[in-house]
Amino acid sequence: GQNIDQPTEMTATEGAIVQINCTYQTSGFNGLFWYQQHAGEAPTFLSYNVLDGLEEKGRFSSFLSRSKGYSYLLLKELQMKDSASYLCAVMDSNYQLIWGAGTKLIIKP
Amino acid sequence: TAGITQAPTSQILAAGRSMTLRCTQDMRHNAMYWYRQDLGLGLRLIHYSNTAGTTGKGEVPDGYSVSRANTDDFPLTLASAVPSQTSVYFCASSDSAGDNNEQFFGPGTRLTVL
Repeated sequence: GQNIDQPTEMTATEGAIVQINCTYQTSGFNGLFWYQQHAGEAPTFLSYNVLDGLEEKGRFSSFLSRSKGYSYLLLKELQMKDSASYLCAVMDSNYQLIWGAGTKLIIKP
Repeated sequence: TAGITQAPTSQILAAGRSMTLRCTQDMRHNAMYWYRQDLGLGLRLIHYSNTAGTTGKGEVPDGYSVSRANTDDFPLTLASAVPSQTSVYFCASSDSAGDNNEQFFGPGTRLTVL
């Protein structure tokens, strides 16, 4: 079966750094996406990785290791507005997105 | 630009009744999707359409039907609602069904079936 695993909840302090991990087992791989979802709102795109390595975009970076079936999202200089759920999704061999349940990130002052 | 819109925002529906959730995008995207989001679960694909005139079944299609008469609209119909269909429904679109195409999401419809 297809499976995406990520922690249910994490807590971090404003100004700090947090790493949200995602491991996956899917039928085929055509890229991995990270989305941000604030409570009561729609998911919004953060990043896309298809090759191994680190992709940096401002305060957010995303890493992929295809051989390990592993990715992480790194958030630096945390701000209160970063309190949200972070969704990991893998595009499978049918070009369908398989979604993790999301990691709720709580930022404390 | 409106992007992608959904209607209604929320709805309470009696079990056994039918309902159509509307979704419209103005980005001229070829691919459109319907997901449901339940607490503790990831988004689950109900139906999708790679281009106007075609549709396909996702992970959880039972009890739902879709149509794609044109590029912009992708309605989702519940023929006879059941309480297990209580969920938040998101419509999404992407330029194509290919690998690096991010999906853009509508604001969601919160449906309660009693």
